[in-house]
Amino acid sequence: QVQLVQSGAEVKQPGASVKVSCKASGYTFSDHHMHWVRQAPGQRLEWMAWINIGSGNTKYSQKFLGRLTTTRDTSASTAYMELSSLRLEDTAVYYCARDSGYLRYYLDDWGQGTLVAVSS
Amino acid sequence: QSALTQPPSASGSPGQSVTISCTGTSSDVGAYNYVSWYQQHPGKAPKVMIYEVSKRPSGVPDRFSGSKSGNTASLTVSGLQAEDEADYYCNSYAGSNSWVFGGGTKLTVL
Repeated sequence: QVQLVQSGAEVKQPGASVKVSCKASGYTFSDHHMHWVRQAPGQRLEWMAWINIGSGNTKYSQKFLGRLTTTRDTSASTAYMELSSLRLEDTAVYYCARDSGYLRYYLDDWGQGTLVAVSS
Repeated sequence: QSALTQPPSASGSPGQSVTISCTGTSSDVGAYNYVSWYQQHPGKAPKVMIYEVSKRPSGVPDRFSGSKSGNTASLTVSGLQAEDEADYYCNSYAGSNSWVFGGGTKLTVL
């Protein structure tokens, strides 16, 4: 079965960077693109980014331009999300989510989430 | 990209039906038949309940249905059960490999 296993919780200071990993199993990694979604405490889901796993091409939400980088290592079946210049308001649970593929445009499997806490 | 508009809360008694709306624009909900709905229980990852406006992934009860008219999509939960109490989020493809979520609706089963 499809599994997306994310790295553990992180505590960072304002201005630092954080890198979250998402290891995929149970399917051919390059057959499905990946999304990153975050959820601040008590708040809504917020779409952040999409990465084409095959080519590495990316699309970021305007809100994160210049601070967000998503990459992938196909040999390790792992996707990465790096957010820099962290602010207190970046405290959130960050999820990776697999794109359904076949041009159906939805997120069909999700990681367990990674809590990133930004605190001075 | 602004969030899609959902009512903050909805409620119904067991066995009743409830409908949650999701209003976007002609650039997202109105432009594409790629609206999906996600159920999220507290402390858990979201789970897809509806995709492409009205299709159900395997394993999702047929009590869940979706529709769309113009810039507004809707999720209907029929025959409400206690386990349906959760947050629900709509999502739409917005073109050029970008997506947008709604503000979320807390569904309470009375």
